[in-house]
Amino acid sequence: DGGITQSPKYLFRKEGQNVTLSCEQNLNHDAMYWYRQDPGQGLRLIYYSQIVNDFQKGDIAEGYSVSREKKESFPLTVTSAQKNPTAFYLCASSGQGWYNSPLHFGNGTRLTVT
Amino acid sequence: DQQVKQNSPSLSVQEGRISILNCDYTNSMFDYFLWYKKYPAEGPTFLISISSIKDKNEDGRFTVFLNKSAKHLSLHIVPSQPGDSAVYFCAARGATSGTYKYIFGTGTRLKVLA
Repeated sequence: DGGITQSPKYLFRKEGQNVTLSCEQNLNHDAMYWYRQDPGQGLRLIYYSQIVNDFQKGDIAEGYSVSREKKESFPLTVTSAQKNPTAFYLCASSGQGWYNSPLHFGNGTRLTVT
Repeated sequence: DQQVKQNSPSLSVQEGRISILNCDYTNSMFDYFLWYKKYPAEGPTFLISISSIKDKNEDGRFTVFLNKSAKHLSLHIVPSQPGDSAVYFCAARGATSGTYKYIFGTGTRLKVLA
């Protein structure tokens, strides 16, 4: 089955540590995205990538970094510079069709930093 | 700057009746609009979309309406079922410097009462 896999489902870290969230897709999609969900704030865009080896900052990129070395993979690193890292993180991808290219989401990673 | 707004945080509807979820946007350059359904601790699931060249799109019990002059879209669910109870997000696609990103609203929690 094609889809997006995010791992792990739950992640716990101590303050001051960097942590990397995994996102893998086998949908052959070119574009991939990272969103963060906080209560009452909807989904906010962190980073996105249209093609391999290229990515752009979203609306809340500070304290995060990404890489896109392979089409299938778009890992997100939450650095110690991110002031409020505890959140639910969602990875998504989209295909090439212009008006038939909805975002497909993974099931998310809940990160808790204490 | 909230470019996509869902002004109703919650909505309760009786089973069998119509649910109407609303969404407003500010950027006239958005060209593609989507609705997603989300359960807690899961990724959003795509429901239905509409391009800016249309004003209506139907898929089974779900219909999306787009009013470009008012910068408003709505999702109609008829008839509503208890399984429709979830948080619904609207999203819009926009272009920035040749790249495309999807902006989400803050969500509306729908409760369908049996």
